[in-house]
Amino acid sequence: EAGVTQSPTHLIKTRGQQATLRCSPISGHTSVYWYQQALGLGLQFLLWYDEGEERNRGNFPPRFSGRQFPNYSSELNVNALELEDSALYLCASSVRAAFYGYTFGSGTRLTVV
Amino acid sequence: AQSVTQLGSHVSVSEGALVLLRCNYSSSVPPYLFWYVQYPNQGLQLLLKYTSAATLVKGINGFEAEFKKSETSFHLTKPSAHMRDAAEYFCAVSDRGFGNEKLTFGTGTRLTIIP
Repeated sequence: EAGVTQSPTHLIKTRGQQATLRCSPISGHTSVYWYQQALGLGLQFLLWYDEGEERNRGNFPPRFSGRQFPNYSSELNVNALELEDSALYLCASSVRAAFYGYTFGSGTRLTVV
Repeated sequence: AQSVTQLGSHVSVSEGALVLLRCNYSSSVPPYLFWYVQYPNQGLQLLLKYTSAATLVKGINGFEAEFKKSETSFHLTKPSAHMRDAAEYFCAVSDRGFGNEKLTFGTGTRLTIIP
């Protein structure tokens, strides 16, 4: 069974540009979660999508946005990139039931220069 | 809102020694609790979870954790550390109930194994 796949693995952008990160969940999982892991800050919850709808959002500015497609894959968009957006962005998927826990992808390393 | 606190951002143990990583939760009702491990340049892997069955939960790679309601704790242990256990470990919590599936993570504990 294929795991959660994220692309690209690495992404280098210039300050002010836009970044698009993609995530494909495990087959049968309807929920996709995005987390930011910046150096020294742990995992910060960004967004949760389920059945194509945004279900919850973390404490991030509106320039962080995303969507979920009918096949449950998802993309995260970060507009007007700032240097502090440099981080590992992790996507996770699950069925919509908290006790199952998540399955994580390997992440996209975003570097803003 | 639920939260978890991991005591000790860095823990070092000798190979073969007991591993103890601490996690305390804050929640008004017993939550779901999880431990994840992250190896360098990788995503997180689920080690074990507590979902209100047995309070002593066994996970992968020889790890286990005990849910103690009276202490609001969910500490992770392993009787004998191995070099391959060197990684970062995250405790996470989720409220029960539909609509509360978001996991909140602790700040992580980096485990170093001394040969």
